[in-house]
Amino acid sequence: AQKITQTQPGMFVQEKEAVTLDCTYDTSDPSYGLFWYKQPSSGEMIFLIYQGSYDQQNATEGRYSLNFQKARKSANLVISASQLGDSAMYFCAMRESRDFNKFYFGSGTKLNVKP
Amino acid sequence: GAGVSQTPSNKVTEKGKYVELRCDPISGHTALYWYRQSLGQGPEFLIYFQGTGAADDSGLPNDRFFAVRPEGSVSTLKIQRTERGDSAVYLCASSPGGDMDYEQYFGPGTRLTVT
Repeated sequence: AQKITQTQPGMFVQEKEAVTLDCTYDTSDPSYGLFWYKQPSSGEMIFLIYQGSYDQQNATEGRYSLNFQKARKSANLVISASQLGDSAMYFCAMRESRDFNKFYFGSGTKLNVKP
Repeated sequence: GAGVSQTPSNKVTEKGKYVELRCDPISGHTALYWYRQSLGQGPEFLIYFQGTGAADDSGLPNDRFFAVRPEGSVSTLKIQRTERGDSAVYLCASSPGGDMDYEQYFGPGTRLTVT
């Protein structure tokens, strides 16, 4: 089974609006971490946000927040007040405590922000 | 400060040839990762180093792939008898280790094309 599933190959959002990028994960490990990365067309992956499986609060970093729903095994990324510079590929990733250094990435969502 | 650098940025080689891809991590980062990213996919874990040793090489697809990090800094990914299916972007990432180990810093990648 896929460890990380991103079902939206592409998304459009109007500048200044909020957008949610979906991510579901599959693990039987009770301890794990969830990540979101941004990959602009230049190719360099940029770390955005992290959520630990035992964290009670949803993670937030500036305009990024992670909507963590543990029972549903989902870890959606919410970008508020979209900017043109947010246009990029976004990848959800996970690592499990039993295999701490192996990161599993989804296939990504291409976000286009329209002016 | 300087980020993760990778050389060459592009490499075109003929099927059957040997290639070496180099990664210079951020100074002081003890953890180093190699990933392979095929077109339209997320990064796929290859190998992880903690210091000089390969702590997890379970992602290497077969014995044509090998990686070293002899002095705990620069790493080289080596591919023997290249095949067309090896064509991909090879990403390197480093992290400080310890409690901040979740934040990986990626290089720009090496695009390998096997003709």
